[in-house]
This record gives sequence, structure tokens and C-alpha cells, in this order.
Amino acid sequence: LAKTTQPISMDSYEGQEVNITCSHNNIATNDYITWYQQFPSQGPRFIIQGYKTKVTNEVASLFIPADRKSSTLSLPRVSLSDTAVYYCLVVSASGGSYIPTFGRGTSLIVHP
Amino acid sequence: DTGVSQNPRHKITKRGQNVTFRCDPISEHNRLYWYRQTLGQGPEFLTYFQNEAQLEKSRLLSDRFSAERPKGSFSTLEIQRTEQGDSAMYLCASSLDGTNTEAFFGQGTRLTVV
Repeated sequence: LAKTTQPISMDSYEGQEVNITCSHNNIATNDYITWYQQFPSQGPRFIIQGYKTKVTNEVASLFIPADRKSSTLSLPRVSLSDTAVYYCLVVSASGGSYIPTFGRGTSLIVHP
Repeated sequence: DTGVSQNPRHKITKRGQNVTFRCDPISEHNRLYWYRQTLGQGPEFLTYFQNEAQLEKSRLLSDRFSAERPKGSFSTLEIQRTEQGDSAMYLCASSLDGTNTEAFFGQGTRLTVV
């Protein structure tokens, strides 16, 4: 199971771009990189998933270099409502299943 | 269907009592997961169902914990002889079958053992 490492916390200000980097040195060939967001007292919510290069959706972008040993979640022009915990996951097959396995995440605080 | 539903949202119980939580997944989702989350930590995987079959269980799932998913629809998680260390948020998630599909989480059941 590929282990992920990400900063415990980050601070930003409204309107700035935030980049959260996650390292996953032991990622396997068939693994995907997935990011979730969690607000207090709520379940995590899927943000974005990718395998390599760049993926963009209406919420965020995900940058994955060629060696896939790290990935960067980019949140453009954050607002106060983006204050949350962000989890980087490497979703691996285990006996044919894909079980999302969470670390401690990065607590992002957006200041006015 | 508006998403994954969990009941109750909150449960306070005395140590030694049994508790049962229910999860209703998104109707067409055949995968169902249970997680436990304590303050400041990420969700910890407990167990996973593919339809009605319980395919994986974490070592965290002691003998006091049991989960079922009869008929591959809703699921229940029971904790027998609760201990104060069981106090946590219990999260349920569901997803479609297939490679690396998105998991949809419920809002969780917060258990407090007093």
C-alpha cells in the first residue's frame, strides 16, 4: 500500500492560489491519485483524481510529474469556504478491491 | 436519491451497551465502506462490502464489531459492549464497481460512550 506524505497544515488568504503537494514514493503502476476535501462534522468529498500529467475540473487542478512519486493539488483563488482538510490518497487494488485509505490530511485555513 | 444516508446522526450510550448504526448507500452503488474517524485524524478503514459480501475487514475491527449488508442494499454496523475508546465518528461511503471510482460519503454517526 503506497504511503502518502503531505503537510499537516497550510495558511492562505482569500484570492490566492493554493498548492498542496503530496509525496507517494511507493506508488504502483496501477494506482491512481485521488484528493478529498472534508469540512468539520461532514464526510469527505471527492475533489479530483488523476493518473499522470494534468487533470482539471471546475474545482481544482491536479499535477502529476512523469515519475508519479508526487502530486500537487492546486486550488485557484481560494475563498474562506475552502477552509477544510484536504486528503491525498493513492487508491490501490487489494484482492481486486479499491479501498480509499486516508492519512492525516492537510488542514488549510484561508484568512480574510 | 440524494446521497449516502446515515442514521442516527448522533448516539450517546453508556459503556457496556450495544449500539447499531445504519447506512443507506446510493441505490445503484454496489460497493459500501465503513470508516471510523477520531478528532484530528483521517478516516480509518474498517470494512468493505461488494454487494452483500463482506470482502475485507481491517485489524481495527475487533470481535465486538460486526457489519452486515443483507441483500446488498443498506448496511448496519453493530458495536457490542461499547468502550470509551469507541467514541468516534463512524462514516459510511459507497461507490460504483470499477477501477478507482469516486466514493461518496455520508455525514456520519457521532458516537459518544460515557
